[in-house]
Amino acid sequence: EVQLVESGGGLVQPGRSLRLSCAASGFTFDDYAMHWVRQAPGKGLEWVSYISWNSDTIGYADSVEGRFTISRDNAKNSLYLQMNSLRAEDMALYYCAKALFSSSYSLDYWGQGTLVTVSS
Amino acid sequence: QSALTQPRSVSGSPGQSVTITCTGTSSDVGGYNYVSWYQQHPGKVPKLMVYDVNKRPSGVPDRFSGSKSGNTASLSISGLQAEDEADYYCCSYAGRYTTIFGGGTKLTVL
Repeated sequence: EVQLVESGGGLVQPGRSLRLSCAASGFTFDDYAMHWVRQAPGKGLEWVSYISWNSDTIGYADSVEGRFTISRDNAKNSLYLQMNSLRAEDMALYYCAKALFSSSYSLDYWGQGTLVTVSS
Repeated sequence: QSALTQPRSVSGSPGQSVTITCTGTSSDVGGYNYVSWYQQHPGKVPKLMVYDVNKRPSGVPDRFSGSKSGNTASLSISGLQAEDEADYYCCSYAGRYTTIFGGGTKLTVL
C-alpha cells in the first residue's frame, strides 16, 4: 500500500525557515517523480514544486521560486521542501504527492498534508 | 503563471450529466496533452480522476470522462450520483517542469 507521510509543519514567524519532509513507502520511490502541492485554508490547490526521479529536473511555481528548494534522498525514500523567507501567503496545508509515472505531472497518491502557519 | 479558469460552481440532479470546463492558454492546456482532473471531498485528500486529458486511472468509474479542444479542457460526469458532490480541480503541465491548477469548481448534486 502506497503511503506518504508529511512532517515538519508548524508555526513560524514571517521571514524564518522551515523544512518539510515526506516519508514514502509501498512503492519503488526512485522510480517516480514527486511533487509538493499546497492548499491554503478554504482555498484551492496550488502546485508548488516538482522533482524528477533522479533529481535531474526540478520545477517551481513562480510564487516560491528562489525561496523554496525541493530535494529527495532515494536511499531514505524521502522527499523534502526547504522553505526560506516565509511569508503570510505561504500559510497552507502542504501535500506531498507521487507522480503517476516516472516523469509525470499527474498525481496518483497524496499524503494527508502538514500544516504550515506563518504568523508573528 | 495564472491559475486556469474554471466555473466557481455547477450543479445537476441525480442521473443527469454535467460538464466542468477549464480554460488556459497555448502555454499550458493548449500546448500539451497533460491535463488532469482531481476530485476533493471536504476535509479529504484530492483524488486523481482523469490524466493525460482523457485517461482514467484504475478504479475511476467510466461516468467520468475528459476531453480538450484548443485551450479549453473539460470534465464530463454522466449519471450524476450524490457522492459526486465535491470540488473538482483541473491541472495542466505548463512547460519548464511546472504545473498549474485551476481555481476549482464546486459540484452540487441537487
